[in-house]
Amino acid sequence: ETVLTQSPTTTAASPGEKVTITCRASSSVSYMHWYQQKSGASPKLWIYDTSKLASGVPNRFSGSGSGTSYSLIISSIESEDAATYYCQQKSSDPPTFGAGTKLELK
Amino acid sequence: EVQLVESGGGLVQPGRSLKLSCAASGFTFSNYYMAWVRQAPKKGLEWVATISTSGSRTYYPDSVKGRFTISRDNAKSSLYLQMNSLKSEDTATYYCAREPHYFDYWGQGVMVTVSS
Repeated sequence: ETVLTQSPTTTAASPGEKVTITCRASSSVSYMHWYQQKSGASPKLWIYDTSKLASGVPNRFSGSGSGTSYSLIISSIESEDAATYYCQQKSSDPPTFGAGTKLELK
Repeated sequence: EVQLVESGGGLVQPGRSLKLSCAASGFTFSNYYMAWVRQAPKKGLEWVATISTSGSRTYYPDSVKGRFTISRDNAKSSLYLQMNSLKSEDTATYYCAREPHYFDYWGQGVMVTVSS
């Protein structure tokens, strides 16, 4: 099983700051997908195939990476971005998720 | 608009069974793999099962293999999860999700509580 380790576990940022969330895989994967989940709501696909933004996702979000290291980057955080973000891979079975990164606004 | 609506959750005793349903609309159901993903209270996401478009192939993690069965009825645009021999660690919100290599649409989730 490919284990995904996200860092940081929790982070707080002020509006306008740049935020980077990292996801490291225990073995190489071809793509990484990211989900946003707000409190009490279902997860939403946010970034797929490493760098493609899902429909409706603001372009202040971006994704990058390859092999065992991937990142979700928010260029200038806004209050609506407060949520938990999960990475996920399906390059190897079984599909696995990271434990999540909780993003808070200061 | 893609919609996935789960039902069938509730409180069940350890060792008993429960069947979840997911009604899909807004897309051609038979063209997509479908999956169940769960989330224990205040925990992360865990993939539970996947089924191919025809239903001929199914996939499970070791944690539920042999206890859970995913199935589908393409004529009814419906997805199911039969859960047997339930354990306390199966307590979670269960989401139905469309799966074209990632989980692009999710239902609102249904809560399953396994407790005596």
